[in-house]
Amino acid sequence: ETGVTQTPRHLVMGMTNKKSLKCEQHLGHNAMYWYKQSAKKPLELMFVYNFKEQTENNSVPSRFSPECPNSSHLFLHLHTLQPEDSALYLCASSQVMLAGGTDTQYFGPGTRLTVL
Amino acid sequence: GESVGLHLPTLSVQEGDNSIINCAYSNSASDYFIWYKQESGKGPQFIIDIRSNMDKRQGQRVTVLLNKTVKHLSLQIAATQPGDSAVYFCAEITNAGGTSYGKLTFGQGTILTVHP
Repeated sequence: ETGVTQTPRHLVMGMTNKKSLKCEQHLGHNAMYWYKQSAKKPLELMFVYNFKEQTENNSVPSRFSPECPNSSHLFLHLHTLQPEDSALYLCASSQVMLAGGTDTQYFGPGTRLTVL
Repeated sequence: GESVGLHLPTLSVQEGDNSIINCAYSNSASDYFIWYKQESGKGPQFIIDIRSNMDKRQGQRVTVLLNKTVKHLSLQIAATQPGDSAVYFCAEITNAGGTSYGKLTFGQGTILTVHP
């Protein structure tokens, strides 16, 4: 266990559904991340939250909407997704240093999303 | 753009052999490098890291070598075991890029298969 949990582990949804992915970190970190992992592609950074503030949106379509209510929880709200959005969605957390930069990112197990 | 790439997409070894997984990176400003292991159905798991002011770091059965001159990173696994079978990713963090969290870029991954 890495100290980062994600639910659900598997999700099947239709293109008109609305669902949410949840991530929780028990490491006391102050930064959280959403990544997308598709087959045969490198991990793609989607969103970054630093001290609960969104610091990066990596050109992600608006059908993906992140929410970070506190430094331990991160959500990814999904609506009107497309079949090409099917992928493994990974959450990670790290400790951002006050002097700048970050330590290692620790990943959750991911949510396997299938969009029909 | 900046990228981290792997020379070999697959590597097959016999149990007990030593394995070497290679990685090339292109951002000379990267100052922190991480190797992750990802088993089927799981998120990436931290293995070992190295800062740019070092050229070698050893862990338990693993060694990471960094050659900044040619921008090359390698992971050596001693006495490889079937449980080492997984996808291995190298990642680089650029902490000097103006982002407080440190931009982490992943390579595509190498599939390591260990035969008993």
